[in-house]
Amino acid sequence: ELKVEQNPLFLSMQEGKNYTIYCNYSTTSDRLYWYRQDPGKSLESLFVLLSNGAVKQEGRLMASLDTKARLSTLHITAAVHDLSATYFCAGSNTDKLIFGTGTRLQVFP
Amino acid sequence: GAGVSQSPSNKVTEKGKDVELRCDPISGHTALYWYRQSLGQGLEFLIYFQGNSAPDKSGLPSDRFSAERTGGSVSTLTIQRTQQEDSAVYLCASSLQGWNTEAFFGQGTRLTVV
Repeated sequence: ELKVEQNPLFLSMQEGKNYTIYCNYSTTSDRLYWYRQDPGKSLESLFVLLSNGAVKQEGRLMASLDTKARLSTLHITAAVHDLSATYFCAGSNTDKLIFGTGTRLQVFP
Repeated sequence: GAGVSQSPSNKVTEKGKDVELRCDPISGHTALYWYRQSLGQGLEFLIYFQGNSAPDKSGLPSDRFSAERTGGSVSTLTIQRTQQEDSAVYLCASSLQGWNTEAFFGQGTRLTVV
């Protein structure tokens, strides 16, 4: 059964700094998703990564996928307060969509 | 509608009562999912509907939980004899063709059992 783990669970970072959130998964995943959740809100889709070596960027966020290492990363460049949220990765195979525990990101001045 | 719609947005119920949560998926989406998110936690898979196939109920935590999807569109999640541990946000999502297509989430129903 597919299991997805994220780290760190909580990240407090200063504006302007860079950091990476890691997402490991246990078995083959057909694709990897990243979602953002603001407090009290639902999940917003950020990236869909389809194949090994895939890299996608949107603003200050860049996601990558290494299927051999079963690892996806979400890199934050020059963080700003608006990025404060909880970020989830999720993997899927023919069974179901499984979410990681989430990384709560807090960006402070 | 333009997105996944859930109702009610908030529900407070007494322990032991039954509740029904509704989800209207994006028009044309054949797959529909229910998840549960407890306070500060991740998303727990509950049930998955895909077209006319038998639903994947493997995530339902007990036989007090059931769900149906009528006409391949609207879905209702029913919790019978609610318990305090059922308190959570229940999220519904839909996707065009199933697990390998992007899932879009509704705003959720916040259930509080008192």
